[in-house]
Amino acid sequence: GAVVSQHPSWVICKSGTSVKIECRSLDFQATTMFWYRQFPKQSLMLMATSNEGSKATYEQGVEKDKFLINHASLTLSTLTVTSAHPEDSSFYICSAHGGYRDLNEKLFFGSGTQLSVL
Amino acid sequence: QKEVEQDPGPLSVPEGAIVSLNCTYSNSAFQYFMWYRQYSRKGPELLMYTYSSGNKEDGRFTAQVDKSSKYISLFIRDSQPSDSATYLCAMSAGGNNRLAFGKGNQVVVIP
Repeated sequence: GAVVSQHPSWVICKSGTSVKIECRSLDFQATTMFWYRQFPKQSLMLMATSNEGSKATYEQGVEKDKFLINHASLTLSTLTVTSAHPEDSSFYICSAHGGYRDLNEKLFFGSGTQLSVL
Repeated sequence: QKEVEQDPGPLSVPEGAIVSLNCTYSNSAFQYFMWYRQYSRKGPELLMYTYSSGNKEDGRFTAQVDKSSKYISLFIRDSQPSDSATYLCAMSAGGNNRLAFGKGNQVVVIP
């Protein structure tokens, strides 16, 4: 299957600092990438949809200025958690929507980033 | 009514047993159905993918879709301890429509 690389896998930061998470599709071009947040023993909560070259679409209740998303190329999307606070501590997962014919409708996930804000 | 319903479990089975998981949904526009497996603190991994109704088999895994009943199933035969994970059903209407996920079903296979 297609590979989506997400870095870092684990980050600890001080309250008030910003953290950037990268999501790369390694062997296909991803026209659309999604960012999710997941709390322990909960399902995935969609935060935003990112289309290459355009502004991200945020879900209701997700602060745009808090969670900055950039999708500058067909293989890279970044999520920056600005001025992080302890309540932002969570597991963040990106996914990419395949552009090749046989990848259509399939979503491939990164390995996730565990963010801990002290 | 939620778009996708999945009983979160947990479900414990002895090694070698058949694991049966299912989801129901309300949106008749859904055409693409997927099952993802997620190990603790890892990203979900695509396990099975089915378009429209029917069955699909891949090794010990069988996915079934019954669009008339809006019901999908995943069966794991000869379950192994390494199958212990959370299984999420997901579905979409196609195009760039977002995936709708179930809550996930935690499965524990006891050696």
